[in-house]
Amino acid sequence: ILNVEQSPQSLHVQEGDSTNFTCSFPSSNFYALHWYRWETAKSPEALFVMTLNGDEKKKGRISATLNTKEGYSYLYIKGSQPEDSATYLCAPSRGNKLTFGGGTRVLVKP
Amino acid sequence: EAQVTQNPRYLITVTGKKLTVTCSQNMNHEYMSWYRQDPGLGLRQIYYSMNVEVTDKGDVPEGYKVSRKEKRNFPLILESPSPNQTSLYFCASSFGRGGVTQPQHFGDGTRLSIL
Repeated sequence: ILNVEQSPQSLHVQEGDSTNFTCSFPSSNFYALHWYRWETAKSPEALFVMTLNGDEKKKGRISATLNTKEGYSYLYIKGSQPEDSATYLCAPSRGNKLTFGGGTRVLVKP
Repeated sequence: EAQVTQNPRYLITVTGKKLTVTCSQNMNHEYMSWYRQDPGLGLRQIYYSMNVEVTDKGDVPEGYKVSRKEKRNFPLILESPSPNQTSLYFCASSFGRGGVTQPQHFGDGTRLSIL
């Protein structure tokens, strides 16, 4: 089973502040890196899928970068808002398998 | 509306009584997958399917079966459920012809309790 680590496990952010967190994964046999946003009582929702080393993706105030050679990805939230409160999951794919990390739980305080 | 539909949403049953959780998607996706979510363990892949009649094991396949007779449907079968299969289950689908390089669309989840 692929070892996927997300850190920190949880963080509290003041509204308006920016934050970032990490996903680490083995770099061998890499296909793609997925990021999902998961709100309580809902189902995970796709944010980004990145495949190339150095890829950067942006969706509104959320962006992500990818380093496939060293096996990590960063997710950034700029100017956090209460609606950004959620668990953020990363998942590298190896071939046809997708392995999720444990998630980073973000709580934005008004 | 593009969606992944799981049924039932909630089920309480007893050990050993066979059950099937259905999953259907209307997006003509090739790739379909089942996950279970347990506290402290995150989402773990049970089985996946690249297309009709093509299925393969994920990381935690023991105690589960699947079939893919039609492109839109991917049922999860528990032949003899046990209490350690009590969990929240998600079905997901995506386009895919080689590797999981497209975003997964998730169903609303099925909460199974096995007594």
